[in-house]
Order: sequence, then C-alpha cells, then structure tokens
Amino acid sequence: EVHLVESGGGLVQPGGSLRLSCAASGFTFSSYDMHWVRQSTGKGLEWVSAIGIAGDTYYPGSVKGRFTISRENAKNSLYLQMNSLRAEDTAVYYCARDRSGWFDPWGQGTLVTVSS
Amino acid sequence: EIVLTQSPATLSLSPGERATLSCRASESVSGYLAWYQQKPGQAPRLLIYDASNRATGIPARFSGSGSGTDFTLTISSLEPEDFAVYYCQQRSNWPSFTFGPGTKVDIK
Repeated sequence: EVHLVESGGGLVQPGGSLRLSCAASGFTFSSYDMHWVRQSTGKGLEWVSAIGIAGDTYYPGSVKGRFTISRENAKNSLYLQMNSLRAEDTAVYYCARDRSGWFDPWGQGTLVTVSS
Repeated sequence: EIVLTQSPATLSLSPGERATLSCRASESVSGYLAWYQQKPGQAPRLLIYDASNRATGIPARFSGSGSGTDFTLTISSLEPEDFAVYYCQQRSNWPSFTFGPGTKVDIK
C-alpha cells in the first residue's frame, strides 16, 4: 500500500525557516515526480512545488525564491525547505505523489503556523 | 493563472439523491481536470482524472463529464459516506496547477 507521512511542521516566527519531510513507502519512490500542496482557511488548496525524477524543480510565484523542494531517493524521502516565512504561509502542508499532473495519493499533512 | 470556480458553494441533499457539482475554468483546460473528495480531518482523495476517468477504487456512482471550460461531477445516489467537500483541479498548463474553492455536500 502506498503511504506518505509528513513531518516537521510547527510554530515559527515571521521571517523564520522550517524544513518539512515526507517519508514514502509502498512504491518505487525514485520513479515518480512528487509535489507539495498546502491548504489554508483563507486560500484553500494551493500547489506549492514539484520535483521530477531527474531532480528538476518547479514553483509558483508565491513561493519561488523562498521554498526549495528536494528529494533523497536512497531514503525514499521528499523535503521542503521553507525560508523567509510569512503569515500567509500558515497552512497544512501535504506531500503527494504525481499521477500525470494529478495528486494521488496524499499524505496526512503537517501543520505550519507562522506567527509571532 | 487559470482560475477555477465551483458551484454551488454548498449542496444540501438527502441520502439516495443525485448530486450535480459544477466546475468552470477561466479559460479552456481541454480535458485536463480532476475531482477530489475531502472529509473532515483527512487529506483530499483523487476521484476523477482527465475529466471522466475514475481513479482506482472509486465507486461507479461517481462520474465526471465536460471539456474546455465547463465540467460536472455527478454522484448518482448519495451514500452516507459521500457527504464531504469536493474540489476540482486543472493541470492544463503544467507545471502550474490550480484548484477550485470547493463545494460542500451536506445532509439535508
């Protein structure tokens, strides 16, 4: 069974940094593109980043230059380094496996709160 | 950015009734649209992809249709476990992905 488990969320001050992790199991991790998607009360669901099997990365304008997605295939792990965090980055962050541009499945999510 | 709008915001129905949910795109996304179901405290789950294909394990009472800018998710006969929030998502301009604001299907 495919399983994705996020960790690393928490409370951080504006301007701070946080690194999220996603542990994958039940599939050949290195053969799939992967994504981070976040969900906040104010902005709903928002795609945050993607990484291809070759390590190519993609971001929307809202996080480009502040967030960095990476992967470590030997550890079946996906990461999201978040810098210069803002209040509007407060959300539940999900990792998700790519299925030709769709997200399937999703992890259970980890909550990031940016507040002083 | 392609904007998705969903209607209605809330749909109040009884078990056994038919649910019809709409998703409209600000420009054509061809057939590149998916639907997700989210229950409280859970992550979204893929139901329909490429507008009309059911994901693995999704019951036949869920069906999707449409192309271009107008799409529909139909639940033919609501089961108690179907009361949830439903989101549409487009991937027309990969790698840019956007979601709709959701439609909540609640019990009348």
